Parts: sequence; C-alpha cells; structure tokens
Amino acid sequence: GQNIDQPTEMTATEGAIVQINCTYQTSGFNGLFWYQQHAGEAPTFLSYNVLDGLEEKGRFSSFLSRSKGYSYLLLKELQMKDSASYLCVGFYNQGGKLIFGQGTELSVKP
Amino acid sequence: DAMVIQNPRYQVTQFGKPVTLSCSQTLNHNVMYWYQQKSSQAPKLLFHYYDKDFNNEADTPDNFQSRRPNTSFCFLDIRSPGLGDAAMYLCATSSTGGDGYGYTFGSGTRLTVV
Repeated sequence: GQNIDQPTEMTATEGAIVQINCTYQTSGFNGLFWYQQHAGEAPTFLSYNVLDGLEEKGRFSSFLSRSKGYSYLLLKELQMKDSASYLCVGFYNQGGKLIFGQGTELSVKP
Repeated sequence: DAMVIQNPRYQVTQFGKPVTLSCSQTLNHNVMYWYQQKSSQAPKLLFHYYDKDFNNEADTPDNFQSRRPNTSFCFLDIRSPGLGDAAMYLCATSSTGGDGYGYTFGSGTRLTVV
C-alpha cells in the first residue's frame, strides 16, 4: 500500500509556529500536496512539492525529503482562522492517484 | 477564471430517491475524479474518467454510477441513496502530464439523505 501517516490532532497558540509532519511510502511517489480543509468545506490547495527542500509561501512553508519519505507543513504567526484540518496527500504514478492521510486537526487557542 | 464547478453546493434527497450531482470544468483537463468524504474522514476515491475511459474503484458500491458526456462535464448518479450515503462529494480534475500540477478540486456538494 501507499500509507500516508500524520498526527490526528495538534493544538497551538495564536501567534506561535506549528509544524505538522507527514510520512509516506516512496514507491511510485511523484509529489506531495498539502491541503487545508475547514469543517463542511472542500479542501483548499496550499502547496505541492516535487523536489527536495523547503518552499515558502507567506506564513505557510512546506518541506519534502524524497529519500526519507517525509514532509512537513510549517505555519507561522498562527491565527485563529488557521484552525482547520490539514491533509497530507501523496500523488502516485498509478493512474495519477491521490493517497490521502487522515488529516491533522489543528486547534489554535488564544 | 478557469475552475471546477460543482452544483448544487447542498443537496437534500429522500431515502431511495435517485439523485444526480454535477461537475463542470473549464480547465480542459483529461481526467475527472469523484471522491466521497464522510465526516472526519479523508476523501475516498469512487471512480475517475481518463478521457472517456471509466475506471471504477474496486470497493465503490454498485449504487454509484457516473457519466461523462463530454470533456467539460461529469455526473455522479446515486441510484437509491441510503442514509449512509450522506457525505460531501468532491469532484476533481487533472491533466495527463504525469505529475500533480494542476490537480484541482471543486467546492463540493454536501448531500443529505432524509
């Protein structure tokens, strides 16, 4: 299989930094998405990493290590509106399939 | 803006009454996908079209069917909805460039079965 593993839930304080880790199986792997999903809404695209390294987009950064099968999403200067589920999603060769992690429910407290 | 559009955003249907959800795209993508997402779960792929070729996931119930009359439109038909089919249904599209760039989700249709 192509399991994607990420923590079920995390809590952080407004204004702080939080890192959400994700591990995945490397066989057939093409790239890794991070999506944000608020309750009752569709996933919103945050990032897509294909190459090793860190990509920064404003308060959000995403890191990928292909050899280690590891990624993380870094959120800086947390805001209350960042409370959401964050989905780590692998894109694999077979039929261009997305393999979803279970999502990390992030709660931002004042 | 080019995008993936799902109608309606919210759909209420009666137990056992056929219902159709629609998805359209202006991206001219070859591949269209339908996902089912239940509360607190990750999206689950039901099936996808690669151009006109239909690909059903092995565990997708027979109750779920799909049609793709042209490149732009794809429909999800639920023949006899049960209470367990209440979920968010997500349409997505991608190109066949062999990578994930351009993989785009619609805004979803939330289905309630009463």
